[in-house]
Amino acid sequence: DAGVTQSPTHLIKTRGQQVTLRCSPKSGHDTVSWYQQALGQGPQFIFQYYEEEERQRGNFPDRFSGHQFPNYSSELNVNALLLGDSALYLCASSLVGDRGTDTQYFGPGTRLTVL
Amino acid sequence: SQQGEEDPQALSIQEGENATMNCSYKTSINNLQWYRQNSGRGLVHLILIRSNEREKHSGRLRVTLDTSKKSSSLLITASRAADTASYFCATDGIQGAQKLVFGQGTRLTINP
Repeated sequence: DAGVTQSPTHLIKTRGQQVTLRCSPKSGHDTVSWYQQALGQGPQFIFQYYEEEERQRGNFPDRFSGHQFPNYSSELNVNALLLGDSALYLCASSLVGDRGTDTQYFGPGTRLTVL
Repeated sequence: SQQGEEDPQALSIQEGENATMNCSYKTSINNLQWYRQNSGRGLVHLILIRSNEREKHSGRLRVTLDTSKKSSSLLITASRAADTASYFCATDGIQGAQKLVFGQGTRLTINP
């Protein structure tokens, strides 16, 4: 049973470029959340996708967008990259229960460096 | 913004000793979870405690939750070198709010 997978592992971009990060959820999970973790900080919620729609969004600009596919996998897109977008991007999957957030299982992350 | 605050920010103990980390949060919650992170890699889920629970055990881990004080603690007993990592608490809000809000973490170092 594969856990959450993310690609690529590392990525280097320059300011102004666009980037796409990918995530495949744990088998049986239907919900994908994305988090940004700056060095030395805790992860910050970007948004969550369920049934191919954005269900909730954190305090991130519109440069951050996403998509969920029918097979529950997801993409995170960031446009017009800034130096401050350099971070570890974490994907988490879950199976939403009726008591709020169920356990979220995280992937290994994508380390994005913006030069 | 971060909801939770872990205390201490860093903790260094000898192998075999117990490690206690604390987490405080600001708003009402549905669940509180603890995660471990090794060297900037992905987060590993350790334990989830619901708002109507006061204590939970999993192996060498013991978590307590005091909703009246909006605080939680994670105790790791008989620590091992492999427990060296950063530990984060994460909360989710009531009424089905889906996002997790993390604190800044406690960096735990176990000295052999």
